[in-house]
Amino acid sequence: GQSLEQPSEVTAVEGAIVQINCTYQTSGFYGLSWYQQHDGGAPTFLSYNALDGLEETGRFSSFLSRSDSYGYLLLQELQMKDSASYFCAVYTGGFKTIFGAGTRLFVKA
Amino acid sequence: DTEVTQTPKHLVMGMTNKKSLKCEQHMGHRAMYWYKQKAKKPPELMFVYSYEKLSINESVPSRFSPECPNSSLLNLHLHALQPEDSALYLCASSQDFAGGGEQYFGPGTRLTVT
Repeated sequence: GQSLEQPSEVTAVEGAIVQINCTYQTSGFYGLSWYQQHDGGAPTFLSYNALDGLEETGRFSSFLSRSDSYGYLLLQELQMKDSASYFCAVYTGGFKTIFGAGTRLFVKA
Repeated sequence: DTEVTQTPKHLVMGMTNKKSLKCEQHMGHRAMYWYKQKAKKPPELMFVYSYEKLSINESVPSRFSPECPNSSLLNLHLHALQPEDSALYLCASSQDFAGGGEQYFGPGTRLTVT
């Protein structure tokens, strides 16, 4: 089967750093993506890792280890507006993307 | 510009109605997608068009009928829907096959079937 696992909820305080982990088991793998979705909104693309290592984009970083079938999204200097759901997603090729169930991030003042 | 637009934003339809959802992108992307998303769940892939040809149909019931009139437009025709089809319908696009890991989503159409 194909599966992605990520925590269902994470809570952190403003200004802190939070890491959302994602492990995957899929029949194909081109890369790991991260999407942010606010309540009532649409998913917004954050990052895509096709190769091992860390990618940094502003306050957000994403990491991939293909040998461990593992990745994470790191959010620094948390702000209230970062409260949202975060989905990891594996692009398996052939235009197919498998999404994890999502992690709800609550940022407290 | 990374904008994908969708109309309408909200749609309420009866089970005997016929309606269409529309999606447009002007990023020159050659792959376009329809997803269905239920509350507190991840998006589920329905259809993918690549270079205006249907590439993927994820065993979607025939009451959903996609159409890609040109490289910028994607439609989803709806008829004889069921109440369980009520959901957020999302359109997305990506550059092409190689860019499938980087998809840009429209704001969605929130569909209620009564």
